[in-house]
Amino acid sequence: SQTIHQWPATLVQPVGSPLSLECTVEGTSNPNLYWYRQAAGRGLQLLFYSVGIGQISSEVPQNLSASRPQDRQFILSSKKLLLSDSGFYLCAWRQRKDSPLHFGNGTRLTVT
Amino acid sequence: SQQGEEDPQALSIQEGENATMNCSYKTSINNLQWYRQNSGRGLVHLILIRSNEREKHSGRLRVTLDTSKKSSSLLITASRAADTASYFCATGDKPDKLIFGTGTRLQVFP
Repeated sequence: SQTIHQWPATLVQPVGSPLSLECTVEGTSNPNLYWYRQAAGRGLQLLFYSVGIGQISSEVPQNLSASRPQDRQFILSSKKLLLSDSGFYLCAWRQRKDSPLHFGNGTRLTVT
Repeated sequence: SQQGEEDPQALSIQEGENATMNCSYKTSINNLQWYRQNSGRGLVHLILIRSNEREKHSGRLRVTLDTSKKSSSLLITASRAADTASYFCATGDKPDKLIFGTGTRLQVFP
């Protein structure tokens, strides 16, 4: 069966520090991968999605970036965090463009 | 950009009552999906309805889709305290994208 791993679960980082969040999927190949951010009590904002290795689509211009170095690995990064980067980051995957998304448990990031 | 918007933003009901949530979207779609999120957790897929379907059932869930009005509704019948969660609709204006609405927070009191 397929599983998605996302870590860390919580993270507290100072303003200006770098960020690296990792997400891996097991049990499938060539998945579509997604990064979402959720502010407290709000909906999900699509940040990046990828349909293949090295293929990244960015939805929101900001100081975040994403990479997909391997088929089932999706990384969210920042060189310098801002206070506004605080939030709940969710990674998700799906096999086909019209199939359901499967989410990880999320990373709660607090930038201080 | 927000593709879907749920209504109401919050809903409080007693156990046993039905809960109805609505979703409106902006562009043409291939399908619309509903998800549930327990507090502090990832989202869980509930049901997918395709653009050529008008109604779909899954257990206590009933989803309708009206493409002429660009709207969908999620009905949870005979609600339980365990149904307390946030519910989101999701659609995509491009094949590989999936954009979520603002969500409805449902509180079911025992």
